[in-house]
Amino acid sequence: NAGVTQTPKFQVLKTGQSMTLQCAQDMNHEYMSWYRQDPGMGLRLIHYSVGAGITDQGEVPNGYNVSRSTTEDFPLRLLSAAPSQTSVYFCASSYSPGTVEYQQYFGPGTRLTVT
Amino acid sequence: GEDVEQSLFLSVREGDSSVINCTYTDSSSTYLYWYKQEPGAGLQLLTYIFSNMDMKQDQRLTVLLNKKDKHLSLRIADTQTGDSAIYFCAEGSGAGSYQLTFGKGTKLSVIP
Repeated sequence: NAGVTQTPKFQVLKTGQSMTLQCAQDMNHEYMSWYRQDPGMGLRLIHYSVGAGITDQGEVPNGYNVSRSTTEDFPLRLLSAAPSQTSVYFCASSYSPGTVEYQQYFGPGTRLTVT
Repeated sequence: GEDVEQSLFLSVREGDSSVINCTYTDSSSTYLYWYKQEPGAGLQLLTYIFSNMDMKQDQRLTVLLNKKDKHLSLRIADTQTGDSAIYFCAEGSGAGSYQLTFGKGTKLSVIP
């Protein structure tokens, strides 16, 4: 298994540009989520999905869109990039809670800079 | 809402024990986790403990849970330079809740 993969690893955008951060998992996990990590702020949940066709907002959803058309993929779209979105973005996935294997598996991250 | 607090920095000498502390507020937490993040990498699960346990030991790692005080600690015995990383405490409410709440992370520096 490749686990959770994210592309790209690094990205520089100009203010106002849009882009999609890709996330895929090959573990047949139901749950997928996106976090951003900023210095001194820990991990903050942006959006999450409990299954194909179902998404919901996390703590900091503004400026981001998600969709979940398949179990494997959970892309994160930045609609109009702003310098405040400069961050490291992590995708994570897991089985449903209550199972023995319940833990969140994290991708390697995408480092985004918005100038 | 839920909150998870950790101290931001810890420095220890190689070979000593490290103790990283965490407090949480959600009394319905079912699972409590410790994740490790090495520089430039994602988070990796180190260990977890169910809320009906007081202690869990896994090789050099010991997790202690005080449910009454909502206090969780991670002890790393014989700390090595390879243990230098950021350690995140996280709590989850288990069945019905997929979301984890993370602390801000404790940066452990190991002095050779």
